[in-house]
Amino acid sequence: SQTIHQWPATLVQPVGSPLSLECTVEGTSNPNLYWYRQAAGRGLQLLFYSVGIGQISSEVPQNLSASRPQDRQFILSSKKLLLSDSGFYLCAWSVYLGLAGNTGELFFGEGSRLTVL
Amino acid sequence: TQLLEQSPQFLSIQEGENLTVYCNSSSVFSSLQWYRQEPGEGPVLLVTVVTGGEVKKLKRLTFQFGDARKDSSLHITAAQPGDTGLYLCAGRGYSGGSNYKLTFGKGTLLTVNP
Repeated sequence: SQTIHQWPATLVQPVGSPLSLECTVEGTSNPNLYWYRQAAGRGLQLLFYSVGIGQISSEVPQNLSASRPQDRQFILSSKKLLLSDSGFYLCAWSVYLGLAGNTGELFFGEGSRLTVL
Repeated sequence: TQLLEQSPQFLSIQEGENLTVYCNSSSVFSSLQWYRQEPGEGPVLLVTVVTGGEVKKLKRLTFQFGDARKDSSLHITAAQPGDTGLYLCAGRGYSGGSNYKLTFGKGTLLTVNP
């Protein structure tokens, strides 16, 4: 069966410090991978998505970046955190959307709570 | 830009009551998904509806996709405290660049009091 794991679960960082959140998926190949941010426990904002190794699309201009060094590994980074980067970050995967009939359900990781002070 | 509006935003009811949550849009979706999220955890998929007018049941939960594929509803019968959580709907577009991602509503925060 497929599993997704992201870490760390909780992070408290000072303004201006770097960030690295990591996400790995097991039990599937060539997944679509996503990073979302959720503010105040409500709707999800798509930050980045990837359809393959080294392929990253950004949805929202910001000081965050994403990388996909391996097929099932997705990393969210920042060189210098801002106060506004605080939030709940969620990694997710879906089956590759190019497959016929695929409705692309998302499977989420446990989430990472980031507090920037 | 495709938008999904969920209502109500907040709902607090007593155990045993029935409730309905709505998800509406002016856009047509190829499919619509419902997720439930508990505090501090990632959302978990409940159901996907694909066909206009489709009704799916998951124990005490009934999901309906509108005939025009622009809206959906979630009805819970005899709510229990374990149903407490954030309910999110998400629609997937048809073609072009919008098809790779889901458009999420802002969610309905349900609290079922014992």
